[in-house]
Amino acid sequence: QQPVQSPQAVILREGEDAVINCSSSKALYSVHWYRQKHGEAPVFLMILLKGGEQKGHEKISASFNEKKQQSSLYLTASQLSYSGTYFCGTKSNFGNEKLTFGTGTRLTIIP
Amino acid sequence: DGGITQSPKYLFRKEGQNVTLSCEQNLNHDAMYWYRQDPGQGLRLIYYSQIVNDFQKGDIAEGYSVSREKKESFPLTVTSAQKNPTAFYLCASSLLTGMTNTGELFFGEGSRLTVL
Repeated sequence: QQPVQSPQAVILREGEDAVINCSSSKALYSVHWYRQKHGEAPVFLMILLKGGEQKGHEKISASFNEKKQQSSLYLTASQLSYSGTYFCGTKSNFGNEKLTFGTGTRLTIIP
Repeated sequence: DGGITQSPKYLFRKEGQNVTLSCEQNLNHDAMYWYRQDPGQGLRLIYYSQIVNDFQKGDIAEGYSVSREKKESFPLTVTSAQKNPTAFYLCASSLLTGMTNTGELFFGEGSRLTVL
């Protein structure tokens, strides 16, 4: 079952902040975040691991609440280059490489 | 340069025909994946493989088949049993998640299949 992302779409002015949420009905080992620009392949942004370890992008941060099986991606002082569709992906167990993606959040940044 | 190559980029087929999409990687990754992308539905996992000669069904495997005879290759066959095959297909690969590896996925450029 796919993780649920919210909101489905958001429009921001350059410099504003955004939060994208990802919620799963299953226990999670890790949460991945990817961004896909129109007509391109998704690109890795960040991974959050059970236990609190976080690896990824400099200007984008995220949180992972293991008990609630939720993750949030924080985009601060958004730039035009942040536009695209953001996907969270989840893995349930260490050693099982199955990565299930959410339905995506379309982010549009306007000048 | 290392990367993932998908071919063809665009493919048209008639109803009732099988079609095979190619995915090759030279990143020496162990895991490979096939995802289907439809508007509003995100990326849905079709099949994945963690090791040569072994693969597992994803969430929407019906009507698809794969093989993993070589580490660098993971072709996807869309069979005539797939009821709605028109979609954008993405192949990806990764190292296995470990102490130093994040399991980050690297994607190919995709193959767009249209059934006429």
